[in-house]
Amino acid sequence: NAGVTQTPKFRILKIGQSMTLQCAQDMNHNYMYWYRQDPGMGLKLIYYSVGAGITDKGEVPNGYNVSRSTTEDFPLRLELAAPSQTSVYFCASSYSDRGNEQFFGPGTRLTVL
Amino acid sequence: TQLLEQSPQFLSIQEGENLTVYCNSSSVFSSLQWYRQEPGEGPVLLVTVVTGGEVKKLKRLTFQFGDARKDSSLHITAAQPGDTGLYLCAGGEGRLYFGRGTQLTVWP
Repeated sequence: NAGVTQTPKFRILKIGQSMTLQCAQDMNHNYMYWYRQDPGMGLKLIYYSVGAGITDKGEVPNGYNVSRSTTEDFPLRLELAAPSQTSVYFCASSYSDRGNEQFFGPGTRLTVL
Repeated sequence: TQLLEQSPQFLSIQEGENLTVYCNSSSVFSSLQWYRQEPGEGPVLLVTVVTGGEVKKLKRLTFQFGDARKDSSLHITAAQPGDTGLYLCAGGEGRLYFGRGTQLTVWP
């Protein structure tokens, strides 16, 4: 049982490049989330999904896209990377959205130069 | 605008000292969660408090949920270097809102 896995661990992008951050969970959780964490700013929700085929915007969705074709996978797409997207990105999953524990992946540290 | 305000932002103490960190909001939450995050890792849930006035203990950690369900505190007794980390509170229905966290460093 691997929990929540994320790839890659680190990535450096040039301005204007695109990439996909991968996230997978093997706990059969319906709810999945993408957060970004900037120093001293806590976690900000980018997008979330309540099940396969259903996604919704969080607090800071601009510059990102997501898809949820299966229960297990929830990739985050960055189009036209900008320096403001330099951050640590965390994927999480939970059984439900009502006070249930969120399980986090190890994070992807992204630098845009 | 931060829905959940945590204080202090940084705390640096010696091993054996006691400490309390706070999580405050002007909004009422049906539950609040506390997570701990270590460098290079994702947050890990410590506890969920759901009832106003509730006190939960986890070894040397004591968590309290305010009577009005707008605030919470985490008290650590006899802190150890292994307690070092970023402590985050979170709350919300449907989606979690996180505070900015308290960075705790415990020196041997």
